[in-house]
Amino acid sequence: QVHLVESGGGVVQPGRSLRLSCAASGSTFSSHGMHWVRQAPGKGLEWVALIWFDGSKQYYADSVRGRFTISRDNSQSTLYLQMNSLGAEDTAIYYCARLYGKDVDIWGQGTMVTVSS
Amino acid sequence: QTVVTQEPSLTVSPGGTVTLTCASSTGAVTSRYYPNWFQQKPGQAPRALIYSTTNKYSWTPARFSGSLLGGKAALTLSGVQPEDEAEYYCLLSYGDTWVFGGGTKLTVL
Repeated sequence: QVHLVESGGGVVQPGRSLRLSCAASGSTFSSHGMHWVRQAPGKGLEWVALIWFDGSKQYYADSVRGRFTISRDNSQSTLYLQMNSLGAEDTAIYYCARLYGKDVDIWGQGTMVTVSS
Repeated sequence: QTVVTQEPSLTVSPGGTVTLTCASSTGAVTSRYYPNWFQQKPGQAPRALIYSTTNKYSWTPARFSGSLLGGKAALTLSGVQPEDEAEYYCLLSYGDTWVFGGGTKLTVL
């Protein structure tokens, strides 16, 4: 059974940076692409980024392209999201989720990011 | 900017049947968009229910089913239970990007 655990959230000032992590248990992490998805308070889900199983390709939503970077360390079974130039609009719960083929099956419990002065 | 549209809210009586839909601004939804459906209850992470249009996970209750209906992806709940009250989201794949619908708040009343 695969489990995903996000960490690294917190309160950060506008314009600053933050790096989120998503630790995966189980032995199949390196076989699957991984997503980051976020949810602003009281709002719906928003897809943020995807990285291929081997890290060779990354894709981003327009709202974060150029500011956020998705990466992974398969030796550590860990996914990352480097977030730069943060603004109030980035305040959200950030979830990591596993890509299984073309589908999304396993979600973490999320980590809260608050951008505020 | 691709938009995926769901009904904002629906109400169903216990034991009833309800269908939620998921439309794409680019045209008819087909299986090539790999529609996924998720359930989210307050304070919880989303939980996957349906993948690749019609397929259920081992944990998906039998009363949930996915389909294509009139150019949209659809999620049908048959024999609705009180615990099905939740927000439901669809997700469509557009090749290099993925887009969630705005969600449907399902009330069981």
